[in-house]
Amino acid sequence: GDSVTQMEGPVTLSEEAFLTINCTYTATGYPSLFWYVQYPGEGLQLLLKATKADDKGSNKGFEATYRKETTSFHLEKGSVQVSDSAVYFCALTGYSSASKIIFGSGTRLSIRP
Amino acid sequence: DVKVTQSSRYLVKRTGEKVFLECVQDMDHENMFWYRQDPGLGLRLIYFSYDVKMKEKGDIPEGYSVSREKKERFSLILESASTNQTSMYLCASSLGLANQETQYFGPGTRLLVL
Repeated sequence: GDSVTQMEGPVTLSEEAFLTINCTYTATGYPSLFWYVQYPGEGLQLLLKATKADDKGSNKGFEATYRKETTSFHLEKGSVQVSDSAVYFCALTGYSSASKIIFGSGTRLSIRP
Repeated sequence: DVKVTQSSRYLVKRTGEKVFLECVQDMDHENMFWYRQDPGLGLRLIYFSYDVKMKEKGDIPEGYSVSREKKERFSLILESASTNQTSMYLCASSLGLANQETQYFGPGTRLLVL
């Protein structure tokens, strides 16, 4: 079945550091890919998404490119801020599970001032 | 602005109690979902509903039931709470069933079963 694997945390970085959180997926057909973010004490909210191969999703300085050849959707940001501290979830929806989002296990990111 | 609300942020219940978690969305969305979130396991789908009075089992429906009598409201019911149901419960909604749809989440209910 469809699945998402993302790098385990926690990840701790200094402010202004470069961020990469790896995400790979297994799915039949052509899934849509998402990154959701959960700030402390809140529910999840969509950070960015990409719906077809080679699409790049971007928001708030974060980017991720849908790479079908490597089945990956890595999240990157050039210069992180303390306010980026949160849990990040990679996710997909596929034709075999169109009504359901398949989530990765989440990566906790902490940014030091 | 999109809004999904959940009836409680924190709940403490005893083993064997019947527990109701309520979720309301104000976006006229067709679909609503209940997940539980546990450390290291991400989010797991319990039940979802794509229309009033319609429901489908998710990945972990055992020990839970749901009710959707009105479009805007989706209730999760723990018939007889057990300690292994201690978790964070998240409700979400989406407009339709297309696989590009964004889901909008409530703030979560942290349930402790003693």
